[in-house]
Amino acid sequence: AQSVAQPEDQVNVAEGNPLTVKCTYSVSGNPYLFWYVQYPNRGLQFLLKYITGDNLVKGSYGFEAEFNKSQTSFHLKKPSALVSDSALYFCAVRDAGTYKYIFGTGTRLKVLA
Amino acid sequence: GAGVSQSPRYKVAKRGQDVALRCDPISGHVSLFWYQQALGQGPEFLTYFQNEAQLDKSGLPSDRFFAERPEGSVSTLKIQRTQQEDSAVYLCASSLQIYEQYFGPGTRLTVT
Repeated sequence: AQSVAQPEDQVNVAEGNPLTVKCTYSVSGNPYLFWYVQYPNRGLQFLLKYITGDNLVKGSYGFEAEFNKSQTSFHLKKPSALVSDSALYFCAVRDAGTYKYIFGTGTRLKVLA
Repeated sequence: GAGVSQSPRYKVAKRGQDVALRCDPISGHVSLFWYQQALGQGPEFLTYFQNEAQLDKSGLPSDRFFAERPEGSVSTLKIQRTQQEDSAVYLCASSLQIYEQYFGPGTRLTVT
């Protein structure tokens, strides 16, 4: 069965520091991996995806994520955090053989000025 | 351009009532998904349409839940005989292929 784990409910980071939001997954086949962000009173927005190819993928707003097959991880990263990055981040996975997406429980990122 | 819209934005139903939630996807988007999001949780997959074909309904929690997309654009999620555990935000998302999804603002359903 597919599953996604976001082990941290909240991550605090100082503005200008690098940030990492963790995600691990479990699928039976090849994974399609995604990050979405939810700002207050706004819908979920797509950030980036890994389908195939380079393990390091770049997305919107300067975010990137690294696919690590051996560790079944897809951590979200940004070299220098902004206060405006404060939001709720969701990792999602889809087994390549299905249409069903599984979302994690979300990690609240708080960037402190 | 117009994004995904959902209506109503808020719905209060008495236990046992039927409700219908509407989703207007982005024009031309082939794929359409419905999710249920409980408070403090991530979205939970309900069903997937490719044009008018419902290709996966494995996430529908019971036979009280029914979704349709008869002309391959607008979709309706219907919940019959609502129960308190149905209270949640219902999200609709559409996509051109099946990768990045564009989410609507959601319908918050409260069953009293």
